[in-house]
Amino acid sequence: AQSVTQLDSQVPVFEEAPVELRCNYSSSVSVYLFWYVQYPNQGLQLLLKYLSGSTLVKGINGFEAEFNKSQTSFHLRKPSVHISDTAEYFCAVSDWSRAGNMLTFGGGTRLMVKP
Amino acid sequence: DGGITQSPKYLFRKEGQNVTLSCEQNLNHDAMYWYRQDPGQGLRLIYYSQIVNDFQKGDIAEGYSVSREKKESFPLTVTSAQKNPTAFYLCASSIGGPGDNEQFFGPGTRLTVL
Repeated sequence: AQSVTQLDSQVPVFEEAPVELRCNYSSSVSVYLFWYVQYPNQGLQLLLKYLSGSTLVKGINGFEAEFNKSQTSFHLRKPSVHISDTAEYFCAVSDWSRAGNMLTFGGGTRLMVKP
Repeated sequence: DGGITQSPKYLFRKEGQNVTLSCEQNLNHDAMYWYRQDPGQGLRLIYYSQIVNDFQKGDIAEGYSVSREKKESFPLTVTSAQKNPTAFYLCASSIGGPGDNEQFFGPGTRLTVL
């Protein structure tokens, strides 16, 4: 089965600074990869996804992520964060070892943007 | 607008009571899911359904039950057998089958046991 590791549980950063949220997954077989954002007391919203093609994926709100197959990573980046980016971010990977159309989620990274 | 709705947003339950959380989608998705989220933790899968009239246990199914009588509806019942039910519950859906398995999430229901 797949496992997903988000290496940082919390990332504090000042407003307008760049940020990288790290995500590694366990299996090197063909995967689909996703980043979701969750604001307090809300559901998850898709930021971006990698299915195939270019390894650099652009998403909403100025975020982008790079798929690195050799390092089994899918790190999320933003060149300049805003206060409104404060939220929980989840990395997810397709898990073909499980029946059905399943995703395995990482434990989440709390991004805290300070003024 | 297509999407997923969950109701109620907040729910309070006394110990020993069963309670049912509603999840409805109008995305014409075949697959639906229930997750539990505890403070500072990720998502844990409770139950999932790939098609009407069929569902499977996830990683933490004990104390929960579901039904899938209609494509658009996937209600979750939290029974008195669930020892620690206070949590945030998220419902999701996806197209199903092979291919892009992006999941679409509802706004969640926060359940508190008094």
